[in-house]
Amino acid sequence: SAVISQKPSRDICQRGTSLTIQCQVDSQVTMMFWYRQQPGQSLTLIATANQGSEATYESGFVIDKFPISRPNLTFSTLTVSNMSPEDSSIYLCSVEGGGWNSGANVLTFGAGSRLTVL
Amino acid sequence: DQQVKQNSPSLSVQEGRISILNCDYTNSMFDYFLWYKKYPAEGPTFLISISSIKDKNEDGRFTVFLNKSAKHLSLHIVPSQPGDSAVYFCAASGRGGATNKLIFGTGTLLAVQP
Repeated sequence: SAVISQKPSRDICQRGTSLTIQCQVDSQVTMMFWYRQQPGQSLTLIATANQGSEATYESGFVIDKFPISRPNLTFSTLTVSNMSPEDSSIYLCSVEGGGWNSGANVLTFGAGSRLTVL
Repeated sequence: DQQVKQNSPSLSVQEGRISILNCDYTNSMFDYFLWYKKYPAEGPTFLISISSIKDKNEDGRFTVFLNKSAKHLSLHIVPSQPGDSAVYFCAASGRGGATNKLIFGTGTLLAVQP
């Protein structure tokens, strides 16, 4: 399966600032996915990023708040804009390619970026 | 609306005994169910999955059971080992196993005591 590197692994941010999270994959992938895990909550899909097209956002997430870049088949960034304490979460990058098992396509995740907004 | 529910936030088990982690879902259109394991400061890693046409899938110490009529699945780990201590997420997806529509539960923290 793919190896995913995420930076930063953690950060403490001030309210009103923006932070960009980078995701690097060791192989070319068509789709990259950005998830969020708020404290005590499940992993929630923010958006799907395809190379060469605009990201597709899930309900409740908008491009102005979470702009995404996908300049090539191995790299993507997620920016958390104008942060508030409610944005304190773990943000995870993931890709397909962990293999198929029982008919389900398996996602591989990065280690995540833990953001704390003061 | 939580479509995938893990009602036990934590579970403690003695080494060598069986760990049973439970998951309930509400959407009868889910076709595939997956379990992921997550250690601190690491991303979730895939553990085992099952399709809706089966009621059991086994991989070594790990077995997943699916009860479609009850919309319930469970992960059995036997024998449990201290290295199994982690957060376990249940996830479900619709027709075709579409990964971009994976719905996750909130996770269960398993602690295996030596």
